[in-house]
Parts: sequence; C-alpha cells; structure tokens
Amino acid sequence: AQSVAQPEDQVNVAEGNPLTVKCTYSVSGNPYLFWYVQYPNRGLQFLLKYITGDNLVKGSYGFEAEFNKSQTSFHLKKPSALVSDSALYFCAVRGFMNTGFQKLVFGTGTRLLVSP
Amino acid sequence: ETGVTQTPRHLVMGMTNKKSLKCEQHLGHNAMYWYKQSAKKPLELMFVYNFKEQTENNSVPSRFSPECPNSSHLFLHLHTLQPEDSALYLCASSQEGAGGDSGANVLTFGAGSRLTVL
Repeated sequence: AQSVAQPEDQVNVAEGNPLTVKCTYSVSGNPYLFWYVQYPNRGLQFLLKYITGDNLVKGSYGFEAEFNKSQTSFHLKKPSALVSDSALYFCAVRGFMNTGFQKLVFGTGTRLLVSP
Repeated sequence: ETGVTQTPRHLVMGMTNKKSLKCEQHLGHNAMYWYKQSAKKPLELMFVYNFKEQTENNSVPSRFSPECPNSSHLFLHLHTLQPEDSALYLCASSQEGAGGDSGANVLTFGAGSRLTVL
C-alpha cells in the first residue's frame, strides 16, 4: 500500500532563513508526489507535484521540492521563509483504490511556524 | 474562493440529530471527494464519486451517508454520530480522465465544515 511519512509535527524557522519540510514515501512503481498547504480556516491548496523529469520541482509561492529516489524522499524547500508561509503542509502520494481509480494518500501534516 | 463551496462552515449537533453537509463545485470537474481531517492524523478519504457514480466507500460507518445527485453537488448525510466523529470535513473535486488516469490528481478543496458532536 502507498504511504507517506512526515516525521516532524512542527518546524520552526526565522523569517529570511531557508526552510525544509520533510516527507518520505513508500510506493511500488514510479511515485506521483504532491505538496499541499492549508492556511487557517481554509481548505488545502495545491503547491506542486512530481510526476517525472527533473528531480527539482518548482511550485507556487516560491516553494520547490526535491525528489530523491534513493532516499525515497520528497522534501519541500524554500530559500527564504516569510511569516505568511506559516501554515500546515501536507505531503501526498498517488495511490489506487480497489476499483483501480486513483486517489491521493496524505501524510499527517507538518505545521510550519515562521517567526519575525 | 477556490470554486468549491461547503456549507455550513460550522455545525454542532447532538448524537441523535440528523444533519447534512453540502458541497458544490463550479469548476466543471467530474470527480468529487469527502475527506475527514482530524488533528495529527492523515487525511482520511471517505467517499469518492466519479462521473456521479460512487467508486469508493473507504470502510466508513453507515452513520455517514453520501449523496451525489449530479457532478456539481455532493452531500454528506449525518445520523446518530459519535463524539469521535467531531472533525473538519473537507470536500474536494478534480477532473479525471474517462479511464480514471489523468495523471494529474490535482484536487481543489473547499474550506471545510467543522463538525462538533456533543
């Protein structure tokens, strides 16, 4: 079965510093990987995805993620954090239902707190 | 607004009440989903409708009953819930290929309905 792990409940970083939010995955075959962000009182918003190609994927709001097949990781990164980046971040991997229909399997989420 | 609207945003109900959550999308998507979000747990996929047909019931208790009258509307009927059902219920939609293999899986989520069961 497909799964993702987000080992950190919370990540604290000072504004202007680089940030990394970690994600590892477990899947048979080639992984389709995603990052979503959830701001307070909002639903999840799509940030970026990796399907194939370049291991460094660029997404919205200056975020990027690096796919590492040997380490089965897909860490989210940003060179310079903003206070407005403070939110809950979810990693996800494509999975399949018994019917063959695709679904997204999400992690537990990592809360990012950027201090001024 | 994301194009996926959920109502009500907040709901408090007793264990014997019957209520419904509503989701509406104006994106022309053909697949709709209900997810349950609880603190420090992965998002739980509850139900999926693809082209209005339910393709997945992810072992959800029968006290939750979905309804998808058309590809733009999705309901979650609630009956005899338990306090542990208190959570944020998220609706999402996506555009899936006829074979269910769009490869994109980009979901658009609503803001959620915060449910509290007393």
